[in-house]
Amino acid sequence: DSGVTQTPKHLITATGQRVTLRCSPRSGDLSVYWYQQSLDQGLQFLIQYYNGEERAKGNILERFSAQQFPDLHSELNLSSLELGDSALYFCASSVDSVGGRELFFGEGSRLTVL
Amino acid sequence: QQQVKQSPQSLIVQKGGISIINCAYENTAFDYFPWYQQFPGKGPALLIAIRPDVSEKKEGRFTISFNKSAKQFSLHIMDSQPGDSATYFCAASNSVAGSYQLTFGKGTKLSVIP
Repeated sequence: DSGVTQTPKHLITATGQRVTLRCSPRSGDLSVYWYQQSLDQGLQFLIQYYNGEERAKGNILERFSAQQFPDLHSELNLSSLELGDSALYFCASSVDSVGGRELFFGEGSRLTVL
Repeated sequence: QQQVKQSPQSLIVQKGGISIINCAYENTAFDYFPWYQQFPGKGPALLIAIRPDVSEKKEGRFTISFNKSAKQFSLHIMDSQPGDSATYFCAASNSVAGSYQLTFGKGTKLSVIP
């Protein structure tokens, strides 16, 4: 058990809808990362938050947004969903320092868009 | 765009054999190279990592070999076991504006057959 909790584990929705994925980081970790995993693209970095502030942005679509709350949990919002958004979405947390770069991943939220 | 190229895409090895997975990177600013192991239905978990000031790191049956001049690194799994069957991701990171985001390879699915 990595200590990172993601909900829901599975989600099925229709095109055009909006969903919210939730992540609770490991106790003491200030950084939260979101990754998208698909069969053909591997693990794609979406966005990082550190102690409530956005720190880095990757290949995140404008239809997607995220935030990190004062209790350090994070939410990834996906809107106007398309078939191609079907994927595994992973949250990871870390201490995020030179000496502590290990990312601890949750078990993912599998999104299916029909 | 930062890239990490990983090969092969899939690998079948007999029990007791050596599994070798290779990665190449482009960005010379990368200064941390981890390998992650992912079992079905689970998130990736750190297996072993290396920094570019050493050419090899060994932890049990797992060894990373690092060639800074060639910008390549590889994972060797000695005495491969069926329990090693998983997907392996190489990754690389550097500090960009205080973020240690990881760039992942596309993964290698390893199957160890008895």
